Amino acid sequence: KNQVEQSPQSLIILEGKNCTLQCNYTVSPFSNLRWYKQDTGRGPVSLTIMTFSENTKSNGRYTATLDADTKQSSLHITASQLSDSASYICVVSHSGGSYIPTFGRGTSLIVHP
Amino acid sequence: DTAVSQTPKYLVTQMGNDKSIKCEQNLGHDTMYWYKQDSKKFLKIMFSYNNKELIINETVPNRFSPKSPDKAHLNLHINSLELGDSAVYFCASSHPPTPTYQETQYFGPGTRLLVL
Repeated sequence: KNQVEQSPQSLIILEGKNCTLQCNYTVSPFSNLRWYKQDTGRGPVSLTIMTFSENTKSNGRYTATLDADTKQSSLHITASQLSDSASYICVVSHSGGSYIPTFGRGTSLIVHP
Repeated sequence: DTAVSQTPKYLVTQMGNDKSIKCEQNLGHDTMYWYKQDSKKFLKIMFSYNNKELIINETVPNRFSPKSPDKAHLNLHINSLELGDSAVYFCASSHPPTPTYQETQYFGPGTRLLVL
């Protein structure tokens, strides 16, 4: 069964600190992995996308890594800001004929001043 | 310059009523989706239309019926609303997915449905 597990479920950090969010998946065959950011009361917004051949992708202070062998991805946030407070969702797509991506349950990040 | 818009933003209604949620996108995408996000924030896909044709229909009660009058609109009609239907419903759009690649989806702001 295709699954995406994210950890931690929630995280509280101080402004300016770095943090790393984890995503493990069992989706096979793998097509691509996306990280979305969902602010409270809004829809998710795509941060990064990585295919099988990519092992790192940056978007400003956000850096995603992918290890397709161990089926793990991480999202590293550098020098956190209050506006980083949101839910971060890992989404993995299948390349075996399914149009349906598999969503993780998200990590809720709170950045305190 | 709204990309994906939904109406209404909030919907409070009584059990047993019928209601509709509208979605429109101006991104020129051929594919649109409806998602349900429960109280635990888990996003679950319900339907997807590609150029007005249904391509994804997950195990959703048949009280839920999507309607796509054209490729820029995908509305969701819900009959005989139940308490468990209370959730946030998100519309999204993308370029057409293929069996080997899923395009980035652009989400609307969500419709918060509360069934009393």
